[in-house]
Amino acid sequence: GAVVSQHPSRVICKSGTSVKIECRSLDFQATTMFWYRQFPKKSLMLMATSNEGSKATYEQGVEKDKFLINHASLTLSTLTVTSAHPEDSSFYICSASIAGARSYNEQFFGPGTRLTVL
Amino acid sequence: KQEVTQIPAALSVPEGENLVLNCSFTDSAIYNLQWFRQDPGKGLTSLLLIQSSQREQTSGRLNASLDKSSGRSTLYIAASQPGDSATYLCAVRREGRRALTFGSGTRLQVQP
Repeated sequence: GAVVSQHPSRVICKSGTSVKIECRSLDFQATTMFWYRQFPKKSLMLMATSNEGSKATYEQGVEKDKFLINHASLTLSTLTVTSAHPEDSSFYICSASIAGARSYNEQFFGPGTRLTVL
Repeated sequence: KQEVTQIPAALSVPEGENLVLNCSFTDSAIYNLQWFRQDPGKGLTSLLLIQSSQREQTSGRLNASLDKSSGRSTLYIAASQPGDSATYLCAVRREGRRALTFGSGTRLQVQP
């Protein structure tokens, strides 16, 4: 149980376009999802916390107008990279917490999305 | 601000060796600590989670310990195998905060 999926797994786009990444909890409800970014051979950096039915909370230095997050249901959160630039190329990983269960405090991670902006 | 450090950054050992990965954190007011495994280009697999009130957790050949007061955790891998080759990440969750702060990881290579 506690499976999180991401789609797409890999995307290549041109500069200036927008890219949407989906994060789904497949077998549980997640009131909170998190979006992380990982540069090559670096650790994960939290970008934002996504709460179902409310606005996301962004970390300092993360542009909320550039990285649009929507958490429309208890099983889906989306991250849209708007007007993508080559420096947005990175590995984006989402995670989800199971609410109300013994493992509430454990996060389960998706497989990640590799974004390459040309 | 919580900072998480992992030592060593990289480690290469022959198959069969027991090994210890280290993680330290600056703010001891944590809710829990989690160890993850990440294969190249892949997402994270949770290995062990230790609550702040616990001292250790075990799963198969893995044992993780936590010394909250000194801000340290270790991941012990017994009888290492080539399939254990991956990057191991340590992450802490601060009290009152749900997101995780990650260390930079230890890249492990187990030689057959």
